[in-house]
Amino acid sequence: QLVESGGGLVQPGGSLRLSCAASGFTFNNYWMSWVRQTPGKGLEWVASIKHDGSEKYYVDSVKGRFTISRDFAKNFLYLQMNSLRAEDTAVYYCARDPNWFDPWGQGTLVTVSS
Amino acid sequence: EIVMTQSPVTLSVSPGERATLSCRASQSVGSYLAWYQQKPGQAPRLLIYGTSTRATGIPARFSGSGSGTEFTLTISSLQSEDFAVYYCQQYSNWPPAVTFGQGTKVEIK
Repeated sequence: QLVESGGGLVQPGGSLRLSCAASGFTFNNYWMSWVRQTPGKGLEWVASIKHDGSEKYYVDSVKGRFTISRDFAKNFLYLQMNSLRAEDTAVYYCARDPNWFDPWGQGTLVTVSS
Repeated sequence: EIVMTQSPVTLSVSPGERATLSCRASQSVGSYLAWYQQKPGQAPRLLIYGTSTRATGIPARFSGSGSGTEFTLTISSLQSEDFAVYYCQQYSNWPPAVTFGQGTKVEIK
């Protein structure tokens, strides 16, 4: 099971940290990812982190602004989002495994607006 | 970037009928193709991976086929719970990226 939190309304240029609590599987054995969904662009992969944290990948549009990380002891996945833009407005999902995504969390809404 | 194009955008089908959804890749993705179902207000759910392998708990009426650039999701006999949006996703060039299609909405005719 994956449960996201941390979404909300933020002004352009602001920051937000999303969290994802993982349970029911051996968290440290899996890659983890963030995927977002907007009405206009549909589903978009955002970032992924290797099971040991040694590799991280980002979609070009968030490179340098977003940072994915994980807490092995707490079984948490994070997405630190800085310099937020209107186009980052979306529902953000955490998901296991960057090949095919399964399972997904329920999502958390991020709205970037003044 | 590999672009995934789904067709049709909307598919109107009567319950009990067969539905055939298409997904085309801008370049070959081999068999590295997954399908998801999404209902309103819910997260996507994995249906199929590796082009044709059903995920755990997915009914046999869902089947996937294809290779290279052309893929198909078939729902053999639509049930009421199958009316939803379906997305394809390629993972052939992971890392560093995966890409999704824009979705096909299956609606009641």
